Amino acid sequence: EAAVTQSPRNKVAVTGGKVTLSCNQTNNHNNMYWYRQDTGHGLRLIHYSYGAGSTEKGDIPDGYKASRPSQENFSLILELATPSQTSVYFCASGDRWGSQNTLYFGAGTRLSVL
Amino acid sequence: SQWGEENLQALSIQEGEDVTMNCSYKTYTTVVHWYRQDSGRGPALIILIRSNEREKRSGRLRATLDTSSQSSSLSITAAQCEDTAVYFCATAQQGTGSKLSFGKGAKLTVSP
Repeated sequence: EAAVTQSPRNKVAVTGGKVTLSCNQTNNHNNMYWYRQDTGHGLRLIHYSYGAGSTEKGDIPDGYKASRPSQENFSLILELATPSQTSVYFCASGDRWGSQNTLYFGAGTRLSVL
Repeated sequence: SQWGEENLQALSIQEGEDVTMNCSYKTYTTVVHWYRQDSGRGPALIILIRSNEREKRSGRLRATLDTSSQSSSLSITAAQCEDTAVYFCATAQQGTGSKLSFGKGAKLTVSP
């Protein structure tokens, strides 16, 4: 079964601090994604990747960087965390190219920036 | 935004009732995904419908797609308490490869 693992599951950070959210997938999928989920907004795409070494900007990339050092790992980096980045973050891997791409999500990371 | 305003819904029904959730999108697509998210978990795909299918069934689930009106619906027949979840529709805009965009979701609560 598809497996996407996120760490940490919960994180409290201080304003102005650096935060790194990690994601590991054992599906051998080329595509990986970072979304954030907020009440009233649903899921919004931050960054995504088509393979090791590649990162692409999603719909709301400002304030976030991404890193894809290998097929299995995809990180989301908040260099200078702000309270507006308090949210639940989901990582996903995708099994194919194009509009029929099915996403497999991790369990999420709840981030609070104080 | 890719989505119509009616994509944010909260529905409460009794066990055994039928329910339909609607989704409208603003840009052309030939495939609509429906995901379900249980409390405290990530979303999971429950049904995918292509434009040449018009209607697709999976157990008690039925999805429809009307590309002319750019809308899709998900129906659940004889809902059960375990159907309580948030349901999202999602599409990949033409020309955006594998970039999937999600609607705001419909929160369904099924009571005994």
